[in-house]
Amino acid sequence: QKEVEQDPGPLSVPEGAIVSLNCTYSNSAFQYFMWYRQYSRKGPELLMYTYSSGNKEDGRFTAQVDKSSKYISLFIRDSQPSDSATYLCAMSELSMGAQKLVFGQGTRLTINP
Amino acid sequence: GAVVSQHPSRVICKSGTSVKIECRSLDFQATTMFWYRQFPKQSLMLMATSNEGSKATYEQGVEKDKFLINHASLTLSTLTVTSAHPEDSSFYICSARSLAGYNEQFFGPGTRLTVL
Repeated sequence: QKEVEQDPGPLSVPEGAIVSLNCTYSNSAFQYFMWYRQYSRKGPELLMYTYSSGNKEDGRFTAQVDKSSKYISLFIRDSQPSDSATYLCAMSELSMGAQKLVFGQGTRLTINP
Repeated sequence: GAVVSQHPSRVICKSGTSVKIECRSLDFQATTMFWYRQFPKQSLMLMATSNEGSKATYEQGVEKDKFLINHASLTLSTLTVTSAHPEDSSFYICSARSLAGYNEQFFGPGTRLTVL
């Protein structure tokens, strides 16, 4: 079983729709949770990170963490064609020294005009 | 701020040659740099973690003699793929963690390696 599971999609929705992206994980030691956006042939770009259960909002993006269920989500409101990309969830344990990120497989998202 | 660059962005080489990829943090000092590999339509897999001035820590299954990592300064880490073969063809991405930022890694744009 992979430490982090993410539905690879692809996911295609019309412009303006609400998008829900999800990841589950098995390692209860994960404390930090991140969402990255990656455009084709580019490096990942950090969208949001959180270290507690609950919701965190940033503009059209909301990150949700449920540690009891080992489940995280990213919601995109009023989706735009420019949101079309691959979205990667990533997690890490709280530990001193180098902080290893474990990534999900990534979900390829297309927003259709 | 927090920009990480990689050079080259793309390289094509013959089987058996060695290729060096540079990763630089342009506007911050990075205590730790990470090297990832990403195959088409797959996620990033951590290859190794390097701390400035010390030997890199490699993930299980990654050949340290094949993927040489040097982190000689707080702004530069290099990955050398020695005696490259077609199965080494991949997208290599580095990330850097700043002295100030404990939780965030900043990623470079990646280097696409094609071995013929």
